[in-house]
Amino acid sequence: GAGVSQSPSNKVTEKGKDVELRCDPISGHTALYWYRQRLGQGLEFLIYFQGNSAPDKSGLPSDRFSAERTGESVSTLTIQRTQQEDSAVYLCASSPTRGGRGETQYFGPGTRLLVL
Amino acid sequence: AQKVTQAQTEISVVEKEDVTLDCVYETRDTTYYLFWYKQPPSGELVFLIRRNSFDEQNEISGRYSWNFQKSTSSFNFTITASQVVDSAVYFCALSEYQNTGNQFYFGTGTSLTVIP
Repeated sequence: GAGVSQSPSNKVTEKGKDVELRCDPISGHTALYWYRQRLGQGLEFLIYFQGNSAPDKSGLPSDRFSAERTGESVSTLTIQRTQQEDSAVYLCASSPTRGGRGETQYFGPGTRLLVL
Repeated sequence: AQKVTQAQTEISVVEKEDVTLDCVYETRDTTYYLFWYKQPPSGELVFLIRRNSFDEQNEISGRYSWNFQKSTSSFNFTITASQVVDSAVYFCALSEYQNTGNQFYFGTGTSLTVIP
């Protein structure tokens, strides 16, 4: 079956512009996660959704970042007024149930964001 | 302090050598999970193994083996008879519960190069 898909695969934007990153989880997966991976670094956990709700938004780096999910399916990560420090690969993952600690996460290919 | 520490940034081995990737974690949770993921050059993270905090049995899967020791808070990964296809970045991850919800931490990764 289809895995996690993300779009766009690459995004180049100018500083100050808003961007929207999209994630389509594996069909039927209840939990969805967003991570940021800066060049040569590990994954930084941003937020996860149980269904359409996010129990904890404290991982979002600033109030310029927001995420939403609808229909227990697609999720959008929005970055407003982008800064050069936002340049990174944004990874999405999904897992079958409610995002419990022990769940295996299945990752998408990521969106490479470059802010000029 | 880092929740997950992978002290080895880069490792190079010659094909057929054995190699161990180290992972040290920090948590106050009594129920937590540890993971290893592989990120090949193509970029998509691939799940390798999951361990819960109550199961300290070591596991072997083909050429891969994992050594979980709670006494030293370590979860090391060994590849036996390495192959060129093993070249990738390997991430160790910890999942625990905090009062704001489940949290997921990744190490900074170890880049493994297997030289033919």
